[in-house]
Amino acid sequence: NAGVTQTPKFQVLKTGQSMTLQCAQDMNHNSMYWYRQDPGMGLRLIYYSASEGTTDKGEVPNGYNVSRLNKREFSLRLESAAPSQTSVYFCASSERQPGNQPQHFGDGTRLSIL
Amino acid sequence: RKEVEQDPGPFNVPEGATVAFNCTYSNSASQSFFWYRQDCRKEPKLLMSVYSSGNEDGRFTAQLNRASQYISLLIRDSKLSDSATYLCVVIWGGSNYKLTFGKGTLLTVNP
Repeated sequence: NAGVTQTPKFQVLKTGQSMTLQCAQDMNHNSMYWYRQDPGMGLRLIYYSASEGTTDKGEVPNGYNVSRLNKREFSLRLESAAPSQTSVYFCASSERQPGNQPQHFGDGTRLSIL
Repeated sequence: RKEVEQDPGPFNVPEGATVAFNCTYSNSASQSFFWYRQDCRKEPKLLMSVYSSGNEDGRFTAQLNRASQYISLLIRDSKLSDSATYLCVVIWGGSNYKLTFGKGTLLTVNP
């Protein structure tokens, strides 16, 4: 099993460009999450999807949109990239939410916006 | 008070040492707690859950103190491979579900 797979691994964008980060999990998990990690800031939740068909804002949703395409896939879109969105993005999934379910992470997308 | 706070370290310890980290949280209704480890430029990986009665996994012991609102992680007989950043996670649920990661504590185990 691959677990949580993110694509791409690296990306460089120019300010104002758009792109979609893809995430897929093969663990039949109900809940999926998108985080960004910046130096000194820790992991911050952007959006999450408690179950297929639902999405909710996290701590830092501005400038992002998400789509829970099906149970396996949860994408994150930057409509007009800004330098402040330069970060490492992690997708994660858990069996369900809320509660005592640990999250499993993909290996990240390193995004630079010039 | 911040929602979840950790001492950022770095903690530099020799091999074989015992080291402990704390993580304090502000919401008394918090219901689930975890410790993750994150290696440099890698994704966070679950280390262990934290149960109310405390729990142990080999050299690692996790404890929860609800009265003082903190969780702890104790690592005995440190190995070089324990060098990583340790992140605590606090979850509270219900209609205001929220999950918060601490910023992490950096541990370096030296030969």
